[in-house]
Amino acid sequence: GALVYQYPRRTICKSGTSMRMECQAVGFQATSVAWYRQSPQKTFELIALSTVNSAIKYEQNFTQEKFPISHPNLSFSSMTVLNAYLEDRGLYLCGAREGTVSGNTLYFGEGSRLIVV
Amino acid sequence: GDSVTQTEGQVALSEEDFLTIHCNYSASGYPALFWYVQYPGEGPQFLFRASRDKEKGSSRGFEATYDKGTTSFHLRKASVQESDSAVYYCALGDHGNYAQGLTFGLGTRVSVFP
Repeated sequence: GALVYQYPRRTICKSGTSMRMECQAVGFQATSVAWYRQSPQKTFELIALSTVNSAIKYEQNFTQEKFPISHPNLSFSSMTVLNAYLEDRGLYLCGAREGTVSGNTLYFGEGSRLIVV
Repeated sequence: GDSVTQTEGQVALSEEDFLTIHCNYSASGYPALFWYVQYPGEGPQFLFRASRDKEKGSSRGFEATYDKGTTSFHLRKASVQESDSAVYYCALGDHGNYAQGLTFGLGTRVSVFP
């Protein structure tokens, strides 16, 4: 089956420092990867969608300068939260899709929780 | 823009009760519809999807039928168990457009008591 692993599961970082999170797809080829932030206030916020061999598309209020993403191959993606502050707290989710057999279904990892102190 | 509305924010049930979570959507095109379930401390798990009018999706005893006329995709389960306690999310996505993410509802927290 389609599995997505995310790590680290949890990070505590000081305000102003950065956190990098990784996403690994197992059992399928992740032609596109969607990064979301989940928080109690705003449920699922789409940060960006990355498709292999295409430009990464960032949603309004999210920028490459703040959330740089790498998607070098069909099994791996990473995102960094640069200069994290309190408002960046939340559970960052990676959702990967294979794009053909499963259509546009996203398979999510367990999430990387960012705690900023 | 596209949106998903889940009517119930929280639902409390006893085991073997019937569960219904209402989901209505608003979309400019003809979306695919999804249900996800999220347990504490975990990421959302895909339950099932439906892609066309009158199609029924189902998994683990849960089911929902795509209704284009009422723009709905209500989740139902005939007899819930304590292990069904979780947050359920309805979502929509553009057919065949893999350059977009999914749009999620706010979620419905289901608590099942023995």
